[in-house]
Amino acid sequence: ETGVTQSPTHLIKTRGQQVTLRCSSQSGHNTVSWYQQALGQGPQFIFQYYREEENGRGNFPPRFSGLQFPNYSSELNVNALELDDSALYLCASSLDSPGGNEKLFFGSGTQLSVL
Amino acid sequence: AQSVSQHNHHVILSEAASLELGCNYSYGGTVNLFWYVQYPGQHLQLLLKYFSGDPLVKGIKGFEAEFIKSKFSFNLRKPSVQWSDTAEYFCAASAYSGAGSYQLTFGKGTKLSVIP
Repeated sequence: ETGVTQSPTHLIKTRGQQVTLRCSSQSGHNTVSWYQQALGQGPQFIFQYYREEENGRGNFPPRFSGLQFPNYSSELNVNALELDDSALYLCASSLDSPGGNEKLFFGSGTQLSVL
Repeated sequence: AQSVSQHNHHVILSEAASLELGCNYSYGGTVNLFWYVQYPGQHLQLLLKYFSGDPLVKGIKGFEAEFIKSKFSFNLRKPSVQWSDTAEYFCAASAYSGAGSYQLTFGKGTKLSVIP
């Protein structure tokens, strides 16, 4: 167990809807990042939050947005869902300030299906 | 944009066989390199990482990887695999992407099946 918990574990939405995914970081971790993993692919970086501020973003449109709260838990929001958004969404937390070489602790993910 | 390539999609080995999984990255600057592993039903977890110093790094469970800068490679090796090594292995590279942030890029993964 990594101590990173994600909810819900599975979710089914229809195209055009909005979704919020949640992540509780491992205790003491102040950095959280989100990844999208499509079937048969590796995780793809969406964005990272450090001390409640966005600290880097991958090649995802603005309809993917996030928040990090004072207790370092985090949310990923996706608006106007598209069929291609169907994927496993992974949250990862780390103890160190972002420096590129920190160890990430991953949650088990939220499987999102868009119909 | 940086990218990470893993050469093999699925590798099948018998127990005690030697393992080498290929990984190449494309980025001209300084990179930090990682191997993550996902055992069946478990979370992704760090196997080993390289960010400076000795290019031969050792990780958990007898795994090691060698950073060869001239070849942009970071191959994963293990002299003798066990059935419990059955898992999916992901190579990843982290590089500075501006404004104080780093971006971690994963390869597509290699599934390793070890036959008893």
